[in-house]
Amino acid sequence: ELKVEQNPLFLSMQEGKNYTIYCNYSTTSDRLYWYRQDPGKSLESLFVLLSNGAVKQEGRLMASLDTKARLSTLHITAAVHDLSATYFCAVDRNEKLTFGTGTRLTIIP
Amino acid sequence: DTAVSQTPKYLVTQMGNDKSIKCEQNLGHDTMYWYKQDSKKFLKIMFSYNNKELIINETVPNRFSPKSPDKAHLNLHINSLELGDSAVYFCASSHGGVAEAFFGQGTRLTVV
Repeated sequence: ELKVEQNPLFLSMQEGKNYTIYCNYSTTSDRLYWYRQDPGKSLESLFVLLSNGAVKQEGRLMASLDTKARLSTLHITAAVHDLSATYFCAVDRNEKLTFGTGTRLTIIP
Repeated sequence: DTAVSQTPKYLVTQMGNDKSIKCEQNLGHDTMYWYKQDSKKFLKIMFSYNNKELIINETVPNRFSPKSPDKAHLNLHINSLELGDSAVYFCASSHGGVAEAFFGQGTRLTVV
């Protein structure tokens, strides 16, 4: 059974700082996704990572994928308050998404 | 235009009742899903349908029955609701076997 673990589960960071969220998964996968969820809202797709070594960037967020290590990272650069949300990684295997536990990110002014 | 829409957004009901949640997508996708998000925010797939055919059926009590009248709709009917069914239920859709899913706004179900 595919297991997807994220850490940390909770993260408070000051504005302007950098940090990384980690996503480990237990078996080979087809693709990996990062989603953002604001409180009481739906999930918004951020990145799709298709192959080993893939790196994608959007604004202050950068996601990468190492399929050999079964690890994806979501790096936050110079955090701003608007980035406060819960971030999920999700692994696609056999056309089924298995989600990580989520990382609740709070940016403190 | 809303891409994936669910109704209702909130649903409060008593134990033992039967309720339905409706989902519609206007993206032209061929695959639709139901996910459950519990109080700890953990998301788990329940069902997926491709072109109206059931593809994924996770270990879900048979009180939950999805129905797909056409490719654009996937409804979820729940019989004999229990307290543990309280959660947020998300509908999603995707295209061509790629599991990047677009999610609806969620239905917060509270069973009292």
